[in-house]
Amino acid sequence: NAGVTQTPKFQVLKTGQSMTLQCAQDMNHEYMSWYRQDPGMGLRLIHYSVGAGITDQGEVPNGYNVSRSTTEDFPLRLLSAAPSQTSVYFCASSYSKWRASTDTQYFGPGTRLTVL
Amino acid sequence: GESVGLHLPTLSVQEGDNSIINCAYSNSASDYFIWYKQESGKGPQFIIDIRSNMDKRQGQRVTVLLNKTVKHLSLQIAATQPGDSAVYFCAESLDIQGAQKLVFGQGTRLTINP
Repeated sequence: NAGVTQTPKFQVLKTGQSMTLQCAQDMNHEYMSWYRQDPGMGLRLIHYSVGAGITDQGEVPNGYNVSRSTTEDFPLRLLSAAPSQTSVYFCASSYSKWRASTDTQYFGPGTRLTVL
Repeated sequence: GESVGLHLPTLSVQEGDNSIINCAYSNSASDYFIWYKQESGKGPQFIIDIRSNMDKRQGQRVTVLLNKTVKHLSLQIAATQPGDSAVYFCAESLDIQGAQKLVFGQGTRLTINP
C-alpha cells in the first residue's frame, strides 16, 4: 500500500489564484480529513468526510471546498488564494468513520503552500 | 472552549536519558488521546494512544500517562536515541456525530543531544 499520498509537495500561488490539493489513499478508508499546520498553532481541521458523497466542515473551513466522489480521493480546493492560507496542508485517513478505540488517523506527507 | 496545549515548546535531553513531554487538555468529554511524532518535512506519525478508562499505557520505549483529575497527559520516552528528535503533538479525540475529530496541541520540539 502507498498509504496516504498528497500532491503537489510544494506550491506557490499569487493572491486570487485557485488550485486543488490532491489527496488519495489506497487503504479503503472511510474517513478522510484535511488539516492545516501553522507555526505555533498545531494542526487544525479544515474539512472532513465520513464516506463517499459526504463532507462536512471542521474548525477552519472558510476559503476551502472539498468533495468526495470516490472512497480513495479527497481533493481540497482553494477558491481564491489569500496570504493567510500560506501553510502546510496535511490529509489524513482512517478505516472507520466511527470512533473506534484502535482506529487512528494516518497522515500524508503534506503540501507546503505559499501565497504571495 | 476546546483546547489542547503543551507546557513546554522545546525540550533537550542527552542521548540515553529519559524524556517526558507534557500536555494539558480542557474538554472533559474527551475520552481518547493520541500522541504523534512529526519529523521535519513529514506528516504526523502515530506513536501511542490511550482511552480515558485507563491511566497508563506502555509501548516500545514509550509510556503515556493520563490524569483525568487535572486533565493532563504525558509521554515518556525511555533511553532516548537520536532518531527520537522530532516535534511531538498530543491530540484529543472529540465526537462529531459519531465521527472522530482530532484537536491538536501546539507541539513540543524534542532534541536529543549526543
